[in-house]
Amino acid sequence: AQKITQTQPGMFVQEKEAVTLDCTYDTSDQSYGLFWYKQPSSGEMIFLIYQGSYDEQNATEGRYSLNFQKARKSANLVISASQLGDSAMYFCAMREGRQAGTALIFGKGTTLSVSS
Amino acid sequence: ETGVTQSPTHLIKTRGQQVTLRCSSQSGHNTVSWYQQALGQGPQFIFQYYREEENGRGNFPPRFSGLQFPNYSSELNVNALELDDSALYLCASRLDQETQYFGPGTRLLVL
Repeated sequence: AQKITQTQPGMFVQEKEAVTLDCTYDTSDQSYGLFWYKQPSSGEMIFLIYQGSYDEQNATEGRYSLNFQKARKSANLVISASQLGDSAMYFCAMREGRQAGTALIFGKGTTLSVSS
Repeated sequence: ETGVTQSPTHLIKTRGQQVTLRCSSQSGHNTVSWYQQALGQGPQFIFQYYREEENGRGNFPPRFSGLQFPNYSSELNVNALELDDSALYLCASRLDQETQYFGPGTRLLVL
């Protein structure tokens, strides 16, 4: 079974609109972290937002917020007021546990296209 | 800017050759990870180094090896290159269990 599932291969939104990118995860660990990264066509992975499994509040970073629903094992990214520069690939990732050596497990990504 | 740099940016090799990719981590970051990202896929974990010792490895064969140096730089070495090794190779650095910050990647093409 996939650990991270992103079911939307592509999303289209107009400037200034909000958009939600879906992410569901699968883990039996109690302690884990969830991340969203943005990857423009240049290739660099840009960190956007982090949610720890024990965090009670949904994480927010500027126009980005993470809608964390632990019981449903979902960690959707919400981008408010989309901008043309938001057009990119978006990856949801998870780190299980807190032991040394743990790596990020990535989903397959969602391509976001923002039009004017 | 993440403070993580990689070289070279692009590389073309032929099957059977060996390649070394380099990464300079953000200052003070004691952990570096390497990922392989095939076209249209998410990154796949290759291995991780913590204070110059490998302490985690993904499902990659031994011909993928690495080093981490005291100055926070690291290398990924791939021997006996295969066509399927063509990918974007990303390194990421972090301090302990904090967030990983990625470099711009090296695009490797194996012909």
